[in-house]
Amino acid sequence: GAVVSQHPSWVICKSGTSVKIECRSLDFQATTMFWYRQFPKQSLMLMATSNEGSKATYEQGVEKDKFLINHASLTLSTLTVTSAHPEDSSFYICSARDLGGGLNSPLHFGNGTRLTVT
Amino acid sequence: AQKITQTQPGMFVQEKEAVTLDCTYDTSDQSYGLFWYKQPSSGEMIFLIYQGSYDEQNATEGRYSLNFQKARKSANLVISASQLGDSAMYFCAMRERKDSWGKLQFGAGTQVVVTP
Repeated sequence: GAVVSQHPSWVICKSGTSVKIECRSLDFQATTMFWYRQFPKQSLMLMATSNEGSKATYEQGVEKDKFLINHASLTLSTLTVTSAHPEDSSFYICSARDLGGGLNSPLHFGNGTRLTVT
Repeated sequence: AQKITQTQPGMFVQEKEAVTLDCTYDTSDQSYGLFWYKQPSSGEMIFLIYQGSYDEQNATEGRYSLNFQKARKSANLVISASQLGDSAMYFCAMRERKDSWGKLQFGAGTQVVVTP
C-alpha cells in the first residue's frame, strides 16, 4: 500500500518552455503533498507544501510564479515549471502524507522526475 | 540554522559488517519524530525506520536499528550484517509537531558503499 506515482520519470525540454509534473497517491488520500528538489549528491530541499483546495505554501527563496503548484483533488498534485531554464535542471520528487496520519506517519515518495533543460 | 546534521559524507563498509550512520538534530519542540530513508542510485526514497521523541525504546526494523540518545539529540542508524544491496544514500529526517503540515526536513545524507 501507500504508493505514490510520479510522472514523467524524466523529461528533456527546451529553454523557455513549460513542463508539468504529476504526483498521484494511488491507494490513499493525501490532503497534503510536498515537493522537493534535489541536486546531484545533495539533500532534498523542500520547495513547497501543497494542500488540497488551497494555495500552496512556498519555502523561502522559491519563486511561486516559476514553480506553479496545483492540488486539485485528494489524490493529485501537479508542479509546473514555467519558462524553464538550464538552471532549473534537477531531480524533482514529490511526497504525500496519508490523510489523518500522525507524527509517526512517514512520507510516501514518488520515484522522482529528472528534468533537463537544454 | 541546520536542523539535521549528518557529518559523514561517505562510508565504505565490508559485506556482513555493521555500520553506524550519524545523525544529530536541533529542535526546541518537545514532540517530534525522526525518520531514516534510503535512496538507491535509481532515486526512489525508501522509508526505513521511525523514532518518536517520547519513545523509550530504541526502534528496530529487521537489520535496521536506531540508537536514540535524546539528551544528546542524536539518532544514529545502525545497519547490521551489511549486504551489497545496502549501497545507497541514507538520509536522516525530522518532523516537528509544531509544523502543522508535517513536512520532513532532511540532512545532507551519507553515501554508503558496501564492498565484497
